[in-house]
Amino acid sequence: QVQLVESGGGVFQPGRSLRLSCAASGFTFSSYAMHWVRQAPGKGLEWVAVISYDGSNKYYTDSVKGRFTLSRDSSKSTLYLQMNSLRAEDTAVYYCAREEEWAQFDPWGQGTLVTVSS
Amino acid sequence: DIQLTQSPSSLSASVGDRVTITCRASQSISTYLNWYQQKPGKAPKLLIYAASNLQSGVPSRFSGSGSGTDFTLTISSLQPEDFATYYCQQSYSTPPLTFGGGTKVEIK
Repeated sequence: QVQLVESGGGVFQPGRSLRLSCAASGFTFSSYAMHWVRQAPGKGLEWVAVISYDGSNKYYTDSVKGRFTLSRDSSKSTLYLQMNSLRAEDTAVYYCAREEEWAQFDPWGQGTLVTVSS
Repeated sequence: DIQLTQSPSSLSASVGDRVTITCRASQSISTYLNWYQQKPGKAPKLLIYAASNLQSGVPSRFSGSGSGTDFTLTISSLQPEDFATYYCQQSYSTPPLTFGGGTKVEIK
């Protein structure tokens, strides 16, 4: 079945770096744009970034521009989010999601929690 | 950026009630509006796409309507498993994609 599984979360100090991964299965990964969406504790959903199906286009929300970098490896069917210069406000559950025809998100991964704290 | 305003932010309802949630866009987005359900500790789940199209596997008691700036999500007869938070999301002008602030549906 179609599945997305995130990994790489944990507790990190401000200013440090980490890389999140999203492993895809059950569909042709190289045919779909992929997104990251985050949710701070007790808050709503915030779109973070998108990468086109072939990796040629990437867009980020303003608060992460210059700090976060998207990439994808179609040979591994895996999406990555490199997060540098971490801030306390980056603390959130990070979800990866596949983009469908109307830019709706389906499915979503189970999420991975990133906590930025000294 | 297009802003989405959901109302109410929370509501209390009983099993069997008809529930309506609204989502208003800051500018016209045609029918590029999607709805999600999220239960505590779980990932969001797609319910409705393109304003009124029911996602496969979603019960028919869920329906969506609207175009332009005003949209509604309706649950025709609330079931115990429907108590959750609901989000709208626009996909008309991207990036950035934007979400509404959410509507929490609680048990009365």
